[in-house]
Amino acid sequence: GQNIDQPTEMTATEGAIVQINCTYQTSGFNGLFWYQQHAGEAPTFLSYNVLDGLEEKGRFSSFLSRSKGYSYLLLKELQMKDSASYLCAVSKAGGYNKLIFGAGTRLAVHP
Amino acid sequence: NAGVTQTPKFRILKIGQSMTLQCTQDMNHNYMYWYRQDPGMGLKLIYYSVGAGITDKGEVPNGYNVSRSTTEDFPLRLELAAPSQTSVYFCASTTSGGAPVTDTQYFGPGTRLTVL
Repeated sequence: GQNIDQPTEMTATEGAIVQINCTYQTSGFNGLFWYQQHAGEAPTFLSYNVLDGLEEKGRFSSFLSRSKGYSYLLLKELQMKDSASYLCAVSKAGGYNKLIFGAGTRLAVHP
Repeated sequence: NAGVTQTPKFRILKIGQSMTLQCTQDMNHNYMYWYRQDPGMGLKLIYYSVGAGITDKGEVPNGYNVSRSTTEDFPLRLELAAPSQTSVYFCASTTSGGAPVTDTQYFGPGTRLTVL
């Protein structure tokens, strides 16, 4: 089967660091994407990982371990505007960039 | 450069009615996708297309049809609408689908559909 698991909700304080985990079991793997989705809006791209290790983009970093089927998104220096859902998505083998999405993690940042 | 546009933004249908959700992209992307997102859930792939004239089913294609006559347009057709099709529909596009995948998908603003 194919499964992507993320925590449903998380809360954090402005200025802090939060880590959102994602575990996956899919038939093949071509890459893992993280998207941000504010309420009522479309998902927007944050980062992707194809190889094991850490990818850093400003306040956001994403880590991948293919052998463990595990990724995390790290958000530093949290701001109120980071309150959103964070979607983990895996591109399956077979091409065509077809994505399997997790249900998303709703992050609430409070003062 | 508008990116991916979708119309309408909102629609209420009665059971059994039909409608077409429009999607257009101006980035000359070959790959286009239709997803639905139910409340509190992730996106599920309905149909996708790898170029004009080529479409294929995703995870949840039942009750929907698509066509791709041009690179820019990828309409989604709902025949005989049912309450189970109440959802938010997102169209997306990307440049390629190679392996490994490095090209992100760009999403339209979505169509919020309610079937009563």
